[in-house]
Amino acid sequence: DGGITQSPKYLFRKEGQNVTLSCEQNLNHDAMYWYRQDPGQGLRLIYYSQIVNDFQKGDIAEGYSVSREKKESFPLTVTSAQKNPTAFYLCASKKSRTGGLNEQYFGPGTRLTVT
Amino acid sequence: QKEVEQDPGPLSVPEGAIVSLNCTYSNSAFQYFMWYRQYSRKGPELLMYTYSSGNKEDGRFTAQVDKSSKYISLFIRDSQPSDSATYLCAMRAYGGATNKLIFGTGTLLAVQP
Repeated sequence: DGGITQSPKYLFRKEGQNVTLSCEQNLNHDAMYWYRQDPGQGLRLIYYSQIVNDFQKGDIAEGYSVSREKKESFPLTVTSAQKNPTAFYLCASKKSRTGGLNEQYFGPGTRLTVT
Repeated sequence: QKEVEQDPGPLSVPEGAIVSLNCTYSNSAFQYFMWYRQYSRKGPELLMYTYSSGNKEDGRFTAQVDKSSKYISLFIRDSQPSDSATYLCAMRAYGGATNKLIFGTGTLLAVQP
């Protein structure tokens, strides 16, 4: 049963703590993406990776870090430097790192609340 | 001005109605157009995608792209309560290193039984 899994579904942290969100896919997709979703703002790209051991900053990378040591996994760390970390975080993957009619498929999301 | 504009709604319709959801965009380089459906507290799921202008139909759903007007639409026929969700339009240009998707903010649809 192929898909994208994100864990945990809900995450609570105190301000000043780093937290790592998990994203795993068994679709054999090359590219993976992290977005955050806030009410009224749509999805904003944090980081993306087109191939193992390579990743690039998206539009709102400040305060976040990622790694891509395995094709299946793309964890996101929300650091204490992120000014407003409370949000719904979505991981996505895509078959090919180039163009063509194949699009991004999303995981179920992790809702992070920082107090 | 945002690259993609989408009315956030909410849009409330009775069961069986025809629903029209729309997005406008400003970047003439966009070639691929997608609609995602997102249920509350879930990840978006890809519903429809089209390349360039024209129509595409899949069951009760029809996606239309009018590149001359920079306007895309999603029509839902015989709407059902199970169609109640947020609908996100998304689009991107051809090729490029990132294949970056630009999303609308989403329209919240409620289909009343």
